[in-house]
Amino acid sequence: GIQVEQSPPDLILQEGANSTLRCNFSDSVNNLQWFHQNPWGQLINLFYIPSGTKQNGRLSATTVATERYSLLYISSSQTTDSGVYFCAPGGSGTYKYIFGTGTRLKVLA
Amino acid sequence: EAGVTQSPTHLIKTRGQQATLRCSPISGHTSVYWYQQALGLGLQFLLWYDEGEERNRGNFPPRFSGRQFPNYSSELNVNALELEDSALYLCASSRTSGGADTQYFGPGTRLTVL
Repeated sequence: GIQVEQSPPDLILQEGANSTLRCNFSDSVNNLQWFHQNPWGQLINLFYIPSGTKQNGRLSATTVATERYSLLYISSSQTTDSGVYFCAPGGSGTYKYIFGTGTRLKVLA
Repeated sequence: EAGVTQSPTHLIKTRGQQATLRCSPISGHTSVYWYQQALGLGLQFLLWYDEGEERNRGNFPPRFSGRQFPNYSSELNVNALELEDSALYLCASSRTSGGADTQYFGPGTRLTVL
């Protein structure tokens, strides 16, 4: 199955700083999602991005499927951005998403 | 549009008992997915239902089972509970099957096995 590696595992930022989170995957994928898990456990969709670049406010994501990685950019971070960020690539056929181990982000005021 | 709902929010059981967790997908979504998030183990895929049928399951023993009802809601049953089944159980739904669409997650059920 697909192996997923996220980096860095932990990240501490001062409010207002920018950051880049990386997701490497071991096999070709048909789709990929980025999620933010808040401190209460709720998983929130950020992007569905099998390829290309998307932007949503202060967040943007880029997936280069041919090189098997995806990046999540957070600009002007806020304390509410704290939590764990997961990428989840998926293949085709008998389908399931494989979640990475996540990047734990803490934004300090 | 109402999101994915799960019940109960918390569930406390003792070892050997059975637990039943419920999930209602977003209206119009036919696929339901179940995940387990145990402490320190990340999110593990459990089961995928679409159109009432089990389409795929993760690497979990048969005492983890479930079903999908005609209204696309779903139930996860865990028999013969073990201490290590304590986890957050998350349900997700998508409009199409096979992962070709965004998955939306519910708030989860936190199961504690004593």
